[in-house]
Amino acid sequence: AQSVTQLDSQVPVFEEAPVELRCNYSSSVSVYLFWYVQYPNQGLQLLLKYTSAATLVKGINGFEAEFNKSQTSFHLRKPSVHISDTAEYFCAVIPLGGGADGLTFGKGTHLIIQP
Amino acid sequence: EPEVTQTPSHQVTQMGQEVILRCVPISNHLYFYWYRQILGQKVEFLVSFYNNEISEKSEIFDDQFSVERPDGSNFTLKIRSTKLEDSAMYFCASQGTSITDTQYFGPGTRLTVL
Repeated sequence: AQSVTQLDSQVPVFEEAPVELRCNYSSSVSVYLFWYVQYPNQGLQLLLKYTSAATLVKGINGFEAEFNKSQTSFHLRKPSVHISDTAEYFCAVIPLGGGADGLTFGKGTHLIIQP
Repeated sequence: EPEVTQTPSHQVTQMGQEVILRCVPISNHLYFYWYRQILGQKVEFLVSFYNNEISEKSEIFDDQFSVERPDGSNFTLKIRSTKLEDSAMYFCASQGTSITDTQYFGPGTRLTVL
C-alpha cells in the first residue's frame, strides 16, 4: 500500500516570491508520482508527473518537482508565483506498473498568493 | 483538448434517496475511475472499471454503490440509498489505453445529502 503526506495544509506566499510545496510518500514498491492542481470550482488538472526518467520534472505554468528517492520526497517548486497560482495542490502516487487501485492522494496544500 | 465532463455539478438529495452521478470520459479511453473528496479531507479512490467490469474497489465502495457504462460513452456512479456521510465531491477520471497513462479528471459533482 502507498501513502502520501503533505505536511502543509496552507502556504501563504507573496506574489513573485518563490514557493515550495512539500510531498513525502511511503511505498513498498516503486511508484509514479504526480502533482495535480485544483482551481476554485474546477476539477483536478495534472501539473506534472514523474515516471522514472529524469529526477527533475518540469510541468505546466512554470512548476517543477524533484524526485528524491532517498528522502522519498517529491516537492513542488516555482521560482516566482502569480496571483493566478492560488489553488489547492495535490500530490499523488500510483505503483510503477500502474494500478487498478487508482491514485493515492495527499490531503492537499492550499497555496495562497498575497499581493 | 478533450476533457472529462460530469453532470450535474451539484446534486442535493434527501437521505435514503437514490442518486446517479454521470460522467462522460474522454473518447477512446479504456480505464475509468470514481474518487470522492469529503470536505476538508483527501481525495479517496472508490472504484476502477475496465472492459465493462469493476477492476478494483475500495472498502468505501460497499453494496450501496454501483457503477455502469450503459451506452459506451457515459460512466455512471449510483448510490442506492444515500446517507449523510455520502455528502462529498465526486470525481470521475479516465485513462487512455494503458494502465500507466495519466488519469484525467472531470470537474466533479458536489453531492449534498440532507
